Amino acid sequence: GENVEQHPSTLSVQEGDSAVIKCTYSDSASNYFPWYKQELGKRPQLIIDIRSNVGEKKDQRIAVTLNKTAKHFSLHITETQPEDSAVYFCAASPQTALIFGKGTTLSVSS
Amino acid sequence: DAGITQSPRHKVTETGTPVTLRCHQTENHRYMYWYRQDPGHGLRLIHYSYGVKDTDKGEVSDGYSVSRSKTEDFLLTLESATSSQTSVYFCAISDATSGGSQETQYFGPGTRLLVL
Repeated sequence: GENVEQHPSTLSVQEGDSAVIKCTYSDSASNYFPWYKQELGKRPQLIIDIRSNVGEKKDQRIAVTLNKTAKHFSLHITETQPEDSAVYFCAASPQTALIFGKGTTLSVSS
Repeated sequence: DAGITQSPRHKVTETGTPVTLRCHQTENHRYMYWYRQDPGHGLRLIHYSYGVKDTDKGEVSDGYSVSRSKTEDFLLTLESATSSQTSVYFCAISDATSGGSQETQYFGPGTRLLVL
């Protein structure tokens, strides 16, 4: 079945820096790749997603890139702010379910 | 937030007792999911439903059963709770017409379950 690896597990940056989180997946049939943000004690919330027919997608300070050949996708956050501090999860969708990575704890210090 | 509620929000129970968690949606979405979230493991799928009375297993289904008798409700039952089932349980919904997971999944607020 699908396996999603996510790195790094923790990431600390200064306010205004960029942050990059990378995920790899194993199942070439996966064609939908969402990213979720989870604040402490809250539910996961979708921040951006990308489908396999697109190589890059951007929404303000957040962008996601997908390399289907290499089976990896990345989340890029520019001009980080303290409110970006949270746990970020990537996921891949082969058919009937989302398979999640184990999460990256992002800390943005001011 | 999408119209998803979970009940109870917190529960403490003893090993060996049955526990039922409820997920209720007001969005009329076809797909519903149950995940558990544990430190170091991310979110893992327990069971999902693709319609009334249509359910299937996820990657960590042992010890859990589900039922969906109405579009709006998806129940997760721990027949005999064990300490390893202490976790945070999230319900999610999706409005996919096929495949199920290839549309946005919206999560409920979660249920914290402690099995002593």
